Amino acid sequence: NAGVTQTPKFQVLKTGQSMTLQCAQDMNHNSMYWYRQDPGMGLRLIYYSASEGTTDKGEVPNGYNVSRLNKREFSLRLESAAPSQTSVYFCASSEPGVRSDYGYTFGSGTRLTVV
Amino acid sequence: AQSVTQLGSHVSVSEGALVLLRCNYSSSVPPYLFWYVQYPNQGLQLLLKYTTGATLVKGINGFEAEFKKSETSFHLTKPSAHMSDAAEYFCAVKFWNTGFQKLVFGTGTRLLVSP
Repeated sequence: NAGVTQTPKFQVLKTGQSMTLQCAQDMNHNSMYWYRQDPGMGLRLIYYSASEGTTDKGEVPNGYNVSRLNKREFSLRLESAAPSQTSVYFCASSEPGVRSDYGYTFGSGTRLTVV
Repeated sequence: AQSVTQLGSHVSVSEGALVLLRCNYSSSVPPYLFWYVQYPNQGLQLLLKYTTGATLVKGINGFEAEFKKSETSFHLTKPSAHMSDAAEYFCAVKFWNTGFQKLVFGTGTRLLVSP
């Protein structure tokens, strides 16, 4: 019962390099999210996917792209990494629904450093 | 604008002392409220939630929180702190707007427990 799995756990990139963060969930959830966590700023939503086939911008989407590959997988891509994207990235999933009281299930995070 | 405020980025208590972590939100409609805990180098884990019904909710590890509509607060408490409670705690709120509802997180409070 893995829940939400993120890969890789750690990554160091040089400025300008690109990479894709992978996320997969096995709970048959419809909705998936990407957050970044920075000291003193809590979690900020980058992109989300309300359901398979849809994606939408969150609070801080600049410099990122996403792909909802299928119901299980939701990837986050950095096309040209910048030092400001040094952060811990979390993927999460949930059930949506009108006035849903479901919380989110989080992955264990990807710690990304851009030098 | 809807927002979540956690007072105090750090809270220090002695083992056995009362834990009180504060959370206030701004919304014209009672939202759904959540507390998450994050242990070092891990993802976020749901501690407890309030949706409807009883305003005092109990969660895991002896934590509880009370929804006070008049104060727009959802403070987290535990009668007696344990060393294992040292972690970062996030208050989160799901606001009800048109469209897809998402969790909004506070900036987090790090709980330090001393022997």
